[in-house]
Amino acid sequence: NAGVTQTPKFQVLKTGQSMTLQCAQDMNHEYMSWYRQDPGMGLRLIHYSVGAGITDQGEVPNGYNVSRSTTEDFPLRLLSAAPSQTSVYFCASRVVGMNTEAFFGQGTRLTVV
Amino acid sequence: AQSVTQPDIHITVSEGASLELRCNYSYGATPYLFWYVQSPGQGLQLLLKYFSGDTLVQGIKGFEAEFKRSQSSFNLRKPSVHWSDAAEYFCAVGHGSGNTGKLIFGQGTTLQVKP
Repeated sequence: NAGVTQTPKFQVLKTGQSMTLQCAQDMNHEYMSWYRQDPGMGLRLIHYSVGAGITDQGEVPNGYNVSRSTTEDFPLRLLSAAPSQTSVYFCASRVVGMNTEAFFGQGTRLTVV
Repeated sequence: AQSVTQPDIHITVSEGASLELRCNYSYGATPYLFWYVQSPGQGLQLLLKYFSGDTLVQGIKGFEAEFKRSQSSFNLRKPSVHWSDAAEYFCAVGHGSGNTGKLIFGQGTTLQVKP
């Protein structure tokens, strides 16, 4: 029973490099989202998707791209990493609706130097 | 705009003592409210949720929360804290419409438990 799987768990990037954070879920959830967690700021929504082929911006989308080609996968791309993107990133999935439980991955700790 | 405020950044309680973590929300309609817990190095886990009915909701690990519309609050409580409850706690509100509903999180409260 894997739930939501994020890879990698840790990553160090140099400024200007690009990379993709992977997220996969096996619960057949339509709704998937990416958050970043920074001290004192809680979790802030980066992008979300309500189904394959449908994505939208959250609160802090700049510098990030997403795509949703399958129900299971929702990768997050950093196009040109900046030190301000040093953070812990969480992927979450849930059944569509406002009162449904979100299931979170274990996070990716990203450092940009 | 919808928002969630957790006034206490850090709380320390003794093991066996009672606990109350505060959460205030700003939302025009009936809110969908959640409490999540994050243990060190882990993702978030749902403790409990409220969206209608009885305003006192029970969750996992002995936690409960009370929805008070007049105070726009959804405070989390536990009668007797265990050392394993040390973690970060997040209050969240679901907002939006239909299948575009989003979760907005508060800043989090870090709970430290003294032996």
